[in-house]
Amino acid sequence: DTAVSQTPKYLVTQMGNDKSIKCEQNLGHDTMYWYKQDSKKFLKIMFSYNNKELIINETVPNRFSPKSPDKAHLNLHINSLELGDSAVYFCASSQLPLNTEAFFGQGTRLTVV
Amino acid sequence: DQQVKQNSPSLSVQEGRISILNCDYTNSMFDYFLWYKKYPAEGPTFLISISSIKDKNEDGRFTVFLNKSAKHLSLHIVPSQPGDSAVYFCAASVPGANNLFFGTGTRLTVIP
Repeated sequence: DTAVSQTPKYLVTQMGNDKSIKCEQNLGHDTMYWYKQDSKKFLKIMFSYNNKELIINETVPNRFSPKSPDKAHLNLHINSLELGDSAVYFCASSQLPLNTEAFFGQGTRLTVV
Repeated sequence: DQQVKQNSPSLSVQEGRISILNCDYTNSMFDYFLWYKKYPAEGPTFLISISSIKDKNEDGRFTVFLNKSAKHLSLHIVPSQPGDSAVYFCAASVPGANNLFFGTGTRLTVIP
């Protein structure tokens, strides 16, 4: 059974479109995250949710909106996609306090053309 | 500003030899450090961690060393195996944090 699963794995879309990436974890963790890995391979946090509440919102354009219907799901919706949004997006989950590992999904490679 | 740095983007090692991957950090508040391993088209997977109250943690072929005064940690893999070929990320967190700060990774290639 996959611990953290995200779909789709690959997403190619045109500029200006709106798209969503889904994430689900079956580990019973309270906290979920979205990370972005850009072209320089830098893995940086975008959002963190604890029990469906937003606790971290880094400097991310408001075109990105996370939605957590329950603590096992954290979806990422992106409006008006731009070329610079092309990256690999990773969902992750963990228990707090963060003195243990976070578990990552396989990533979604988003390509905006 | 990148608080966790891995200055070597790549490393090649012969099978059976030791691999040493290095990581430096700038935030003295970091109290927990982790190494993640990442294969292509997969997410990072946890490898080993160390708390700031320790200077060494060992798990099989993997050992992490922490030098707090130098703000430096390293991952030693011995003996290295071809299956260890992957990208290794160093990460760190501060007390009570809800976030991990990652380095940019080092691509390790173990040559058979």
